[in-house]
Amino acid sequence: EAGVAQSPRYKIIEKRQSVAFWCNPISGHATLYWYQQILGQGPKLLIQFQNNGVVDDSQLPKDRFSAERLKGVDSTLKIQPAKLEDSAVYLCASSLDRVGGTEAFFGQGTRLTVV
Amino acid sequence: AQKVTQAQTEISVVEKEDVTLDCVYETRDTTYYLFWYKQPPSGELVFLIRRNSFDEQNEISGRYSWNFQKSTSSFNFTITASQVVDSAVYFCALSVSTILTGGGNKLTFGTGTQLKVEL
Repeated sequence: EAGVAQSPRYKIIEKRQSVAFWCNPISGHATLYWYQQILGQGPKLLIQFQNNGVVDDSQLPKDRFSAERLKGVDSTLKIQPAKLEDSAVYLCASSLDRVGGTEAFFGQGTRLTVV
Repeated sequence: AQKVTQAQTEISVVEKEDVTLDCVYETRDTTYYLFWYKQPPSGELVFLIRRNSFDEQNEISGRYSWNFQKSTSSFNFTITASQVVDSAVYFCALSVSTILTGGGNKLTFGTGTQLKVEL
């Protein structure tokens, strides 16, 4: 079974530029998550999708971050414009559903450096 | 609100030593789930175990064991006879069952414990 795929693996951009990350979840998984992991910290949920609808974006900085999951499969996360503090690893995860306790499977992440 | 505390930032052991990683959690929900994930240098989070709040039985899987104590809100992880391949960052996480608070199944992570196993 293929795991969660993310691209690119690494990205370096200058502040104020824009960037986009892509995620392909495990086939059949209805729930998709984007987490932000700043160096030395645990991952923090940015946004959660159930199929193609957003169910939790309470911690997403909506003035600069956006995400979509068209057709309920792949997802993209965009930052525009980027700030230095956005430097982090962006992890995508998926699970069969959003019932509490459902195992979430994580991708390898995209490491973003903003200079 | 949920909170997970991993007070140990970094632990170094010599191979074959036993090591325990501590995890303390806070939640007002009566139904919740606790997880341990391993993050090797490659970056992805690897699922190790899940326990629900109604099952306080300790669990053993090979060299790994977990001790869940609701009385102290702790969910500690022990590696017996550690090996170099165990070197990684280990995260404890918590999720609650209700989908009324956000999307449901949101994981709240601790800050992680870096485990270094040396020869």
